Amino acid sequence: KQEVTQIPAALSVPEGENLVLNCSFTDSAIYNLQWFRQDPGKGLTSLLLIQSSQREQTSGRLNASLDKSSGRSTLYIAASQPGDSATYLCAVSPSNTGKLIFGQGTTLQVKP
Amino acid sequence: GAGVSQSPSNKVTEKGKDVELRCDPISGHTALYWYRQSLGQGLEFLIYFQGNSAPDKSGLPSDRFSAERTGGSVSTLTIQRTQQEDSAVYLCASTRGVWQFFGPGTRLTVL
Repeated sequence: KQEVTQIPAALSVPEGENLVLNCSFTDSAIYNLQWFRQDPGKGLTSLLLIQSSQREQTSGRLNASLDKSSGRSTLYIAASQPGDSATYLCAVSPSNTGKLIFGQGTTLQVKP
Repeated sequence: GAGVSQSPSNKVTEKGKDVELRCDPISGHTALYWYRQSLGQGLEFLIYFQGNSAPDKSGLPSDRFSAERTGGSVSTLTIQRTQQEDSAVYLCASTRGVWQFFGPGTRLTVL
């Protein structure tokens, strides 16, 4: 059974710092991996999607990497801003159906 | 609208009552997903629709839970004889391709 773990559960950093969020998964047979952002009381917003054949994806200040063989992904946020404060969720798709298995999330607070 | 919508946004019900939660996906999106987000359990997959068919119902926690989709569009998640452990935020997502677009969720509270 696929399990997704995110470390740390919570993180507080001063504005301007670069930071890394970690995600690990137990079964390397994945179709893709996605990173989402969730703001309190709102739905999820997809940030980055990495196909199983890819190693990384970048969008603005965000960079996500994937090491499928070791079952790990990282989300790198450069020059963090208070507006980045949210919960970040990692999810893997075990097949091309789109079904997602989520980690518990990392709650990030960026202090001005 | 441009996004996935869900109704109601909040629902408070008494234990033992039935509830219906509605999801309106983005027009043209063929796949639709229901997830549940509860404290201590994180976000869990419930059911997936492709068109009006549900090829994967593996996440439905009990036979009190059912869902249907009509016209390849609107979906309804029904919970019969609600229990307190059903309290959670129920999220719906739709997709065309690999990107999933989530609705704002329905917060269900069972007293």
